[in-house]
Amino acid sequence: GAVVSQHPSRVICKSGTSVKIECRSLDFQATTMFWYRQFPKQSLMLMATSNEGSKATYEQGVEKDKFLINHASLTLSTLTVTSAHPEDSSFYICSASPGLDYGYTFGSGTRLTVV
Amino acid sequence: RKEVEQDPGPFNVPEGATVAFNCTYSNSASQSFFWYRQDCRKEPKLLMSVYSSGNEDGRFTAQLNRASQYISLLIRDSKLSDSATYLCVVNKRDSSYKLIFGSGTRLLVRP
Repeated sequence: GAVVSQHPSRVICKSGTSVKIECRSLDFQATTMFWYRQFPKQSLMLMATSNEGSKATYEQGVEKDKFLINHASLTLSTLTVTSAHPEDSSFYICSASPGLDYGYTFGSGTRLTVV
Repeated sequence: RKEVEQDPGPFNVPEGATVAFNCTYSNSASQSFFWYRQDCRKEPKLLMSVYSSGNEDGRFTAQLNRASQYISLLIRDSKLSDSATYLCVVNKRDSSYKLIFGSGTRLLVRP
């Protein structure tokens, strides 16, 4: 149980375009999902907390107008990277948990390359 | 100071060796503790939760010392397949139960 599906797994886009990444909890409901970014040889950095039915909470230094988060249902959160630039190229990963005692499950990640 | 600090590694050990990972955390209000494993270019996968009494899962033993704010992971009889980056993760309890990741320690098990 506790499966999180993330799509797409890999995307290449041109500078200036927008990319949407989906994160789904397949066998549990998640009122909260988390979005992380990981640059090569670095650890995961939390970008924002996605809250079902309300606004996302962004970490310091993360531009909310650039990284749009929508959590419209208990099983789906989306992250849209708007007006992408090459420096946005990174590994984006979502996570959710069916309950604190179960730990957190991660999606398989999305490798974004902006050219 | 980072909220979660780990040995920088990498650790390069022969098969069958015992290897220990250490981690310290700065927030005494932290509630939950985990070890995750991350393979190259993959997502982290939960290895084990860490409980105050210490816990064991096969070749893996995790321990927590709340007074010292210290967490450890011991791998016995290491296998080639144990090669990965091991992430110490702490849950900072606030309204959203955020996970704080250590920078990870890379383990290389050689034949």
